[in-house]
Amino acid sequence: GQNIDQPTEMTATEGAIVQINCTYQTSGFNGLFWYQQHAGEAPTFLSYNVLDGLEEKGRFSSFLSRSKGYSYLLLKELQMKDSASYLCAVTDSNYQLIWGAGTKLIIKP
Amino acid sequence: IAGITQAPTSQILAAGRRMTLRCTQDMRHNAMYWYRQDLGLGLRLIHYSNTAGTTGKGEVPDGYSVSRANTDDFPLTLASAVPSQTSVYFCASRNASGGANEQFFGPGTRLTVL
Repeated sequence: GQNIDQPTEMTATEGAIVQINCTYQTSGFNGLFWYQQHAGEAPTFLSYNVLDGLEEKGRFSSFLSRSKGYSYLLLKELQMKDSASYLCAVTDSNYQLIWGAGTKLIIKP
Repeated sequence: IAGITQAPTSQILAAGRRMTLRCTQDMRHNAMYWYRQDLGLGLRLIHYSNTAGTTGKGEVPDGYSVSRANTDDFPLTLASAVPSQTSVYFCASRNASGGANEQFFGPGTRLTVL
């Protein structure tokens, strides 16, 4: 079966760094996405990785290791507005997105 | 219209009633999707359409139907609603012509079936 695993909830302090991990087992792989979802809102795109390595975009970075079926999202200089759920999703061989349940990130002052 | 819109924003529905959730995008994306999101389960694909005139079943299609008469619109119909269909429904679209491009989401419809 297809499976995406990520922690249910994480807590971090404003100004700190947090890493959200995602492991996956899917039928085929055509890229991995990270989305941010604030409570009561729609998911919005953060990053896309299809090759191994680190993609940096401002305060957010995303890493992929295809051989390990592993990705992480790194958030630096945390701000209160970063409190949200972070969704990991993998594109399978049919170009359908398989979604993780999301990680709720709580930022404390 | 800018992006992707959904209607209604929220709805309370009696079990057994028929309901159509509307979704319209103005980005000329060829692929469109309907998801439901339930607490602790993440997004689950109901139906999808890779291009106008074609549709396909996702992970949880039972009790739902879709149509794709044109590029812009992708309505989702619940023929006879049941309480287990209480959920938040998201429509999404993607430009599928250039590989695995990101999906853009509508604001969602919060549906309660009593």
